[in-house]
Amino acid sequence: GENVGLHLPTLSVQEGDNSIINCAYSNSASDYFIWYKQESGKGPQFIIDIRSNMDKRQGQRVTVLLNKTVKHLSLQIAATQPGDSAVYFCAESRIGSFKTIFGAGTRLFVKA
Amino acid sequence: KAGVTQTPRYLIKTRGQQVTLSCSPISGHRSVSWYQQTPGQGLQFLFEYFSETQRNKGNFPGRFSGRQFSNSRSEMNVSTLELGDSALYLCASSFEGFTEAFFGQGTRLTVV
Repeated sequence: GENVGLHLPTLSVQEGDNSIINCAYSNSASDYFIWYKQESGKGPQFIIDIRSNMDKRQGQRVTVLLNKTVKHLSLQIAATQPGDSAVYFCAESRIGSFKTIFGAGTRLFVKA
Repeated sequence: KAGVTQTPRYLIKTRGQQVTLSCSPISGHRSVSWYQQTPGQGLQFLFEYFSETQRNKGNFPGRFSGRQFSNSRSEMNVSTLELGDSALYLCASSFEGFTEAFFGQGTRLTVV
């Protein structure tokens, strides 16, 4: 199967601080990007998405930034809460390919 | 609104056997995608179905197959199981295949 990485980076933040999770995507033809959150024992949960014609999109407490020049995606979580502790995955797709490639994931720990 | 339902939740099989996993998408969703999740390889795309047609598949051997029924429910089958097939198998449904996807809790397959 396609391998998007073996390592799981870890980010530890204090409750109330802002978190920034970074992701490098692989395919310059990708035009649809998604962030998912996966808690232990559960399937991934959609957080926010962005299309390649945008460079920023905001949701509730979350912001996704897209830099197509360097193929970089980031997820910013404002005022991080203990309930935000999870593994976060970025995913890329090309609209019309119906195939989504996931990044390796980043584990976020929120210290109370 | 019921979420994505995967059955069974847990399964133990012996090498060489075959297994069928089931996924019932959210009502109204016609796209179903399947993923394999392992600690070493992360989340890897298996295939995507829409209106009973496979529109894309990942780089998995032919032992992995799937199908979708007219009611959008989907099954995946793995034949001649190998130890390396032990994984969490996740399915996700979406309205069209490139919009917000909703994941089930997965089927944990253990091959002994």
